[in-house]
Amino acid sequence: DAGVIQSPRHEVTEMGQEVTLRCKPISGHDYLFWYRQTMMRGLELLIYFNNNVPIDDSGMPEDRFSAKMPNASFSNLKIQPSEPRDSAVYFCASSSGTGIQPQHFGDGTRLSIL
Amino acid sequence: GQQLNQSPQSMFIQEGEDVSMNCTSSSIFNTWLWYKQDPGEGPVLLIALYKAGELTSNGRLTAQFGITRKDSFLNISASIPSDVGIYFCAGFTGFQKLVFGTGTRLLVSP
Repeated sequence: DAGVIQSPRHEVTEMGQEVTLRCKPISGHDYLFWYRQTMMRGLELLIYFNNNVPIDDSGMPEDRFSAKMPNASFSNLKIQPSEPRDSAVYFCASSSGTGIQPQHFGDGTRLSIL
Repeated sequence: GQQLNQSPQSMFIQEGEDVSMNCTSSSIFNTWLWYKQDPGEGPVLLIALYKAGELTSNGRLTAQFGITRKDSFLNISASIPSDVGIYFCAGFTGFQKLVFGTGTRLLVSP
């Protein structure tokens, strides 16, 4: 079975550029989560969706960050304009919402803003 | 906010040794999860604990959900080199949100 698929795996771009990270959740999962991982702050939840609807975006650091889920098989996270402090590994995870179900993670996008 | 503290922060052991790591919180969690993260990859679920006092095994791994629902431990028996990685505990706060611990980095010497 295909797991959560993220692209790109690595992204290096200059400060001020728009960055788009993509995620394809596991088929049939109705929850999708975006996390950011840094050495200083560990794994932080940015936003999550249920049935394509954003439920909680309280972890989104600034207005420069936005996320959408246009359909059940795709989500993207955008940063515009990007800043060096946005450099981190961004993970997408998905889960089935029946009861408390563990989240399954993609392999992440390593983002470096120069 | 809710925090999960893991100890130790890192461990360096010899292959074949047993390993024990802990996770504690000031808040009660309904469900505890243990994940392992290999370099360059996302966290992978190892064990899920749903009831206070529950003891669950997965091969050489054993985890327990504390009676107070504020702590959990993970044991690895007879460690092998592929056990190397970062181990995270995580707790559900409800509404499908997970809070992750600070992680325990495990190094295993052959």
